[in-house]
Amino acid sequence: QKEVEQDPGPLSVPEGAIVSLNCTYSNSAFQYFMWYRQYSRKGPELLMYTYSSGNKEDGRFTAQVDKSSKYISLFIRDSQPSDSATYLCAMRGKGGTSYGKLTFGQGTILTVHP
Amino acid sequence: DTAVSQTPKYLVTQMGNDKSIKCEQNLGHDTMYWYKQDSKKFLKIMFSYNNKELIINETVPNRFSPKSPDKAHLNLHINSLELGDSAVYFCASSQIRLGLYNEQFFGPGTRLTVL
Repeated sequence: QKEVEQDPGPLSVPEGAIVSLNCTYSNSAFQYFMWYRQYSRKGPELLMYTYSSGNKEDGRFTAQVDKSSKYISLFIRDSQPSDSATYLCAMRGKGGTSYGKLTFGQGTILTVHP
Repeated sequence: DTAVSQTPKYLVTQMGNDKSIKCEQNLGHDTMYWYKQDSKKFLKIMFSYNNKELIINETVPNRFSPKSPDKAHLNLHINSLELGDSAVYFCASSQIRLGLYNEQFFGPGTRLTVL
């Protein structure tokens, strides 16, 4: 079983829809939770990160972390065609030997059609 | 302007050959990484160097050898290339700050195809 599981999709939604992307994980040591967006033939770029549990909002994007359930989500409101990309969740521990070691989910391919 | 750059962008080669990928970052970061992304988009860390010292070395065949001549450069040399090495290889960098979040910045990737 992988440490981080993410539904690979693909997910296809109409413009304006609310999108929900999710990951589950098994490692209790994970403290930082990130969402990366990767456009086709490009490198991943950080969208948002959250430390420990809770919600974080940035414009149309909301990240949620529920450590008790080992479950994280990314919500995209009013989705746009420009949101079409692969979304990767990533996690890491707080420090020590885990420094810098990101563990990724396998990515969800999202297409927003006009 | 480019923060993390990689060369070459595309690499097509025959099985058994030896090849190198170069990475450079101009962000002043002290830590650099190599990741491998397979055809299903799964991204997995391979190596990490902090101030030229190897700090992360995942289970990777010893045909892969990273080298960090200085903090701004991290190269990846692959010997005896195999079909299964075909993937996109990403370099990344970050500045380690103890107890704080350290964002990793990724390069554009090198698409390696082994024939």
